[in-house]
Amino acid sequence: GAVVSQHPSRVICKSGTSVKIECRSLDFQATTMFWYRQFPKQSLMLMATSNEGSKATYEQGVEKDKFLINHASLTLSTLTVTSAHPEDSSFYICSARDIFGRVSYNEQFFGPGTRLTVL
Amino acid sequence: DAKTTQPTSMDCAEGRAANLPCNHSTISGNEYVYWYRQIHSQGPQYIIHGLKNNETNEMASLIITEDRKSSTLILPHATLRDTAVYYCIVRDSGGSNYKLTFGKGTLLTVNP
Repeated sequence: GAVVSQHPSRVICKSGTSVKIECRSLDFQATTMFWYRQFPKQSLMLMATSNEGSKATYEQGVEKDKFLINHASLTLSTLTVTSAHPEDSSFYICSARDIFGRVSYNEQFFGPGTRLTVL
Repeated sequence: DAKTTQPTSMDCAEGRAANLPCNHSTISGNEYVYWYRQIHSQGPQYIIHGLKNNETNEMASLIITEDRKSSTLILPHATLRDTAVYYCIVRDSGGSNYKLTFGKGTLLTVNP
């Protein structure tokens, strides 16, 4: 099946620093990637939709200047958490839409997630 | 707001069928029913989806009622590795909106 990777899997950083998380589609092309955030014991919340070659679309309440998204190629999207604070500690998950539809045209495949801890 | 309602949790004995219900009474004609699951501390995994016909794949079966207001995901022979949170999601078939809106899901615990 289609594989999506994320790097790093875990990151611990100091408050005020920036952290970059990569999301890669390993064996398919993805014009659209999605970024989610999940706090403990809660469901996934969509943060933004990342479109290759254009600006990301952010969900209501998500600060675009704090969560910078770049989707420079059909296989890579990055999320940068700028000036991270302890309340940004969360599980960040990306997904990628397979434009050629291995399962069906609209399927999304999820990465394994990145655990961010801000001290 | 999530368009689906699922029980918070369910238990199932290993080797038995797990039947997970989902209500989606406001589903519209062009919306599909999708099921994903999330094992603890991992990303969600696609299971199955359908529009109005029953569907089966190597992982599960999806039974959708004739009025499409509810559905049931069936894991025919549950194993301990099927313990996860199962999400039932209603989504438009395409256009410009491929977003998935996750509700709280059902925590399925498969017991030995």
